Amino acid sequence: AQTVTQSQPEMSVQEAETVTLSCTYDTSENNYYLFWYKQPPSRQMILVIRQEAYKQQNATENRFSVNFQKAAKSFSLKISDSQLGDTAMYFCAFIYRGAGGTSYGKLTFGQGTILTVHP
Amino acid sequence: DAGITQSPRYKITETGRQVTLMCHQTWSHSYMFWYRQDLGHGLRLIYYSAAADITDKGEVPDGYVVSRSKTENFPLTLESATRSQTSVYFCASNAGLAGGNSNTGELFFGEGSRLTVL
Repeated sequence: AQTVTQSQPEMSVQEAETVTLSCTYDTSENNYYLFWYKQPPSRQMILVIRQEAYKQQNATENRFSVNFQKAAKSFSLKISDSQLGDTAMYFCAFIYRGAGGTSYGKLTFGQGTILTVHP
Repeated sequence: DAGITQSPRYKITETGRQVTLMCHQTWSHSYMFWYRQDLGHGLRLIYYSAAADITDKGEVPDGYVVSRSKTENFPLTLESATRSQTSVYFCASNAGLAGGNSNTGELFFGEGSRLTVL
């Protein structure tokens, strides 16, 4: 079974600064996806970024980027130029990419990291 | 509007009562899921469904019942609510095989239902 661990229950950062959220996972599979989801106070789950395990290049989405270290089973999220709207709970999640290349949404989530951005 | 909606958004009930949380999606996604969110545990899968009339257990299914008579609906029932079932419940969907190889497993979530069992 896969496990996902987020070792930082809470983090804080000043507006415009950079912050990195950590995530490690454990799996015996070789073909999988990793995600970061954001959950603001509204409770809505929002996909921030995804990484395909077979791609060595780190994914980037505007101010959000990941550092994917497959051998170390590490998947950290870097938020640059932090904004007040980035204040949220962030979840790291894993999914095995099953036979045939399809995946069906049975994600395994980490415990979450509460990020607070201070003005 | 297209999307996935949950009802009720907030519910307070008493121990032993039956509660049903509703989930409706308009994308015709084949896969639907129920997760519960608890502090320190992240989101944990309760039940999922691959298609109408096909359901299966997730990580924490005890005390819950699901059904899926229509593709667009996936209700979750707590037959006899307990305090340990106080949580925020999320319904989600995914296109599954219909999404083809471009389906990355991304889930599309409802807005969540906060359930308090007294």
